[in-house]
Amino acid sequence: DIVMTQTPLSSPVTLGQPASISCRSSQSLVYSDGNTYLSWLQQRPGQPPRLLIFKIFNRFSGVPDRFSGSGAGTDFTLKISRVEAEDVGVYYCMQTIQFPWTFGQGTKVEIK
Amino acid sequence: EVQLVESGGDLVQPGGSLRLSCAASGFTFSNCYMHWVRQGPGKGLVWIAHINSRGTSTTYAESVKGRFTISRDNAKNTLYLQMNSLRGEDTAVYYCVRDWYGEYNWGQGTLVTVSS
Repeated sequence: DIVMTQTPLSSPVTLGQPASISCRSSQSLVYSDGNTYLSWLQQRPGQPPRLLIFKIFNRFSGVPDRFSGSGAGTDFTLKISRVEAEDVGVYYCMQTIQFPWTFGQGTKVEIK
Repeated sequence: EVQLVESGGDLVQPGGSLRLSCAASGFTFSNCYMHWVRQGPGKGLVWIAHINSRGTSTTYAESVKGRFTISRDNAKNTLYLQMNSLRGEDTAVYYCVRDWYGEYNWGQGTLVTVSS
């Protein structure tokens, strides 16, 4: 199975300041079609997960542009340019290049 | 708008069975791969099963293989998860997930509690 490792696991952030989460996979997530199947999910307290970013850097429908994704191969980053109160929650990276899909441990973003 | 509405979660005794449903709307269900993902209390996300668009191919996590069966009825726009021989460690919120070329929509989940 592909292991997904996120850092940090907790990120206290001041409102209006940036936040960054890293995700590393144990093997390349580049598929034979040329796409890299790395996504980022947001899970607000008491809510189901929601897709933020797919294929490294593509924002899903309705996702604010303060969220951005980057990276390649096995190293990826989610950035929030200016954290807002509604961004509090747990963020997961996930790989969907092969079964079983696997997820990072989750990074808790909270307001200082 | 894509909507996925899970149902069927309940309290069940160890060794018991349960069938979850996921009603899909807002997209062409028969064109999409579908998945079930679960989340134990206070835990992370765990993928458990996949089914292709026609229902002819399925894949399972080792932890549920032989006990759970994923299926779909494209005429009813509904995904199912039949869960047998349930164990305490199957206690979780179960989410259905639409898979459209690397884009994933999640349902709101249904809670399954396995306890005597």
